[in-house]
Amino acid sequence: GEDVEQSLFLSVREGDSSVINCTYTDSSSTYLYWYKQEPGAGLQLLTYIFSNMDMKQDQRLTVLLNKKDKHLSLRIADTQTGDSAIYFCAENYGQNFVFGPGTRLSVLP
Amino acid sequence: NAGVTQTPKFRILKIGQSMTLQCTQDMNHNYMYWYRQDPGMGLKLIYYSVGAGITDKGEVPNGYNVSRSTTEDFPLRLELAAPSQTSVYFCASSSKAGGFIYEQYFGPGTRLTVT
Repeated sequence: GEDVEQSLFLSVREGDSSVINCTYTDSSSTYLYWYKQEPGAGLQLLTYIFSNMDMKQDQRLTVLLNKKDKHLSLRIADTQTGDSAIYFCAENYGQNFVFGPGTRLSVLP
Repeated sequence: NAGVTQTPKFRILKIGQSMTLQCTQDMNHNYMYWYRQDPGMGLKLIYYSVGAGITDKGEVPNGYNVSRSTTEDFPLRLELAAPSQTSVYFCASSSKAGGFIYEQYFGPGTRLTVT
């Protein structure tokens, strides 16, 4: 089946940049997504990238897509304590979505 | 606009009991999904529906049943609860435009413990 992999933990200092990485297996995915989950809440879409794009920037967020290596990354510039959360990478697979295990981002003061 | 609502927020069940997790969306979305999230794991798809009257199995359907009699509601039924069903359950909905599904909207989740 389809598989999405992420490292489970990342710690950064406030003000630094965070880079969260993801690898996926389905080369036919049309969209790739980043979701954020805060404690006790459901997932919320942060950003997505169309598969024919290499990069997408949205304020402090930069998404990079390397289709050849099936690698997706999310860079958060000037990371703040409010960015502490779990970040999920996801790909669409037909009518469904396949999620990675999530990366828990801890922002240290 | 409430989005996706789920009830209850928390529930403790004894082994063998039954319950229904409720999910309602007010965005007129055709697509609805049920996921479970186990600690340190991604979301696993239990069942999904592409419209009223149509449901299909996801990756982990055993022990669960669903129905979709209206566009708004997509309840998830556990018939004989087992400890392996202890998890957080998320309902989600999405729409399709131009042949693509852009975004899923998630409910706040139901935390279920089976003892």
